[in-house]
Amino acid sequence: ETGVTQSPTHLIKTRGQQVTLRCSSQSGHNTVSWYQQALGQGPQFIFQYYREEENGRGNFPPRFSGLQFPNYSSELNVNALELDDSALYLCASSQPGGARSGANVLTFGAGSRLTVL
Amino acid sequence: GNSVTQMEGPVTLSEEAFLTINCTYTATGYPSLFWYVQYPGEGLQLLLKATKADDKGSNKGFEATYRKETTSFHLEKGSVQVSDSAVYFCALSAPDQGKLIFGQGTTLQVKP
Repeated sequence: ETGVTQSPTHLIKTRGQQVTLRCSSQSGHNTVSWYQQALGQGPQFIFQYYREEENGRGNFPPRFSGLQFPNYSSELNVNALELDDSALYLCASSQPGGARSGANVLTFGAGSRLTVL
Repeated sequence: GNSVTQMEGPVTLSEEAFLTINCTYTATGYPSLFWYVQYPGEGLQLLLKATKADDKGSNKGFEATYRKETTSFHLEKGSVQVSDSAVYFCALSAPDQGKLIFGQGTTLQVKP
């Protein structure tokens, strides 16, 4: 059983550029969530995708967008990068049976570390 | 709104010492509560969870009890090891919501 895999692991961008981060969910999981973890902080919820539709969004501006594909993999896109977007971006997948279940356990990937200069 | 507060770190202990990391929460209704651990350079791993009041979650010698009356979910371990050195996150998930709300994390350093 493969876990959640993310790519790239590290990347450096400059202000104003755009970035795409990718995530493959764990086998059998149909829900994907994205979190932003700034240095020394806890992860912050960006959004969640279920059956290729956005299914909840945190307090992030529209320049943060996402996609989920039929194979349940997902992308996070960030446009017009700002210095404060520098962070570890974590993808998490969860099992079917309730994308909105509060007790659903999330399986996290190792993250993509983005540095914006 | 819903929130989680953890004790500030770092927490530095000697091997075999007793560990407590405090976590309190604010939430409407009856959230599920979690502890996640993050080892250096890795993503978050679920350590334990509890889904209702008075439930005790346990794993790898760690325990936490869901206390509704004190809105707490403190993490404990009777005898820590050097390999337990990591960042520990307390989190909650409100009913009918798939997102997790995390505390700021507590760094644990265990010295031989």
